[in-house]
Amino acid sequence: EAQLVESGGGLVQPGGSLRLSCAASGFTFSTYWMSWVRQAPGKGLEWVANMRQDGSEKLYVDSVKGRFTISRDNSKNSTYLQMSSLRAEDTALYYCARFRRYLSSWYFDLWGQGTLVTVSS
Amino acid sequence: QSVLTQPPSVSAAPGQKVTISCSGSSSNLGNNYVSWYLQLPGTAPKLLIYDNNKRPSGIPDRFSGSKSGTSATLGITGLQTGDEADYYCGTWDSSLSSVVFGGGTKLTVL
Repeated sequence: EAQLVESGGGLVQPGGSLRLSCAASGFTFSTYWMSWVRQAPGKGLEWVANMRQDGSEKLYVDSVKGRFTISRDNSKNSTYLQMSSLRAEDTALYYCARFRRYLSSWYFDLWGQGTLVTVSS
Repeated sequence: QSVLTQPPSVSAAPGQKVTISCSGSSSNLGNNYVSWYLQLPGTAPKLLIYDNNKRPSGIPDRFSGSKSGTSATLGITGLQTGDEADYYCGTWDSSLSSVVFGGGTKLTVL
């Protein structure tokens, strides 16, 4: 069964850094785009970043550009989100998701359970 | 303010039908497929509909999707109390170069 498991969340002070990890299993990880999507407490979904299978293309929402970096290690079936210069508004449940993209089709077909990031002093 | 517009809430009685709308523009829904996600309370989102009207394996045919121009609609028939959840639409926005979601619609089965 295909599965994504996130880890690395926690409490961090404003301006601090955190690295989230997502371990994939049950599917051929290296053949899929991977993504991070977040959800602030009581709010809706917000896409954060996508990464192509071979790492040659990375996309970010404007609010995290220059602060967050998505990466992956296909040998470890894992994707990561390095977050720096964290702000209170980055507080959210961060989901790892498998992203399907071809022509005009874009969707997330597999989601992890999420890891909570709290930015507070 | 979300790029895609959804009603904050909808409600209907068990066994009835409900529709949830998702409105966008030419830079998103007008030129890209829509997907829909179901988020039960306290759980992760789950893909419900992709490519406007396709259902992943395991999603019952009570759920349907359609798109016309810059608007999309999710339909749910034979409502059950277990359908109470938040529903989100999503697509790609070519102007923003971003995946965008609607603000979500809370379905209440009265």
